[in-house]
Amino acid sequence: TQLLEQSPQFLSIQEGENLTVYCNSSSVFSSLQWYRQEPGEGPVLLVTVVTGGEVKKLKRLTFQFGDARKDSSLHITAAQTGDTGLYLCAGNTDKLIFGTGTRLQVFP
Amino acid sequence: GAVVSQHPSWVICKSGTSVKIECRSLDFQATTMFWYRQFPKQSLMLMATSNEGSKATYEQGVEKDKFLINHASLTLSTLTVTSAHPEDSSFYICSGVNNLPMNTEAFFGQGTRLTVV
Repeated sequence: TQLLEQSPQFLSIQEGENLTVYCNSSSVFSSLQWYRQEPGEGPVLLVTVVTGGEVKKLKRLTFQFGDARKDSSLHITAAQTGDTGLYLCAGNTDKLIFGTGTRLQVFP
Repeated sequence: GAVVSQHPSWVICKSGTSVKIECRSLDFQATTMFWYRQFPKQSLMLMATSNEGSKATYEQGVEKDKFLINHASLTLSTLTVTSAHPEDSSFYICSGVNNLPMNTEAFFGQGTRLTVV
């Protein structure tokens, strides 16, 4: 059972555009992580958010944890072709559960 | 950062045979190891959680007799796919954590692509 729903499922945009990916759940998590995965490789951690309402920035990426710690968003400003990949949110309880994933394709 | 080494990176086996996948934490003690499988263009689905020295906890729908997990030491966990069938073909990934609750990073192996013919 996938507890974390991501939207959109697919996103195809041009370089320079902005985008937001959402991660929603009915469950409360002690923390939430965002990963990016390239084909044939394991996921790579981008950020961990712990406190409800927390906002973290990583260069052009902005992550927000919902006040109730049930949802999160990832915003990318001025997307680049190198941002292409599968973005996964993952919620921590006593185990790490991944969201349904958002596949991003950035065209030059 | 910490490293989890997963082997093999890919394997092709015949139906009915067993395949063992190893994950070693190289510079930290993985008190907990998670095992995931991932089908093409899909997310990671948790199969089981193993704690060092105890039996693994399997997610609903995952056959424990088919997917044998051993976590005998703090640096090694193995997943054995027994009597493999073509539908078991998938990408398998392990992830190690040092102590729960997990507000710290989980370290992932490189993944194993299993093809059963």
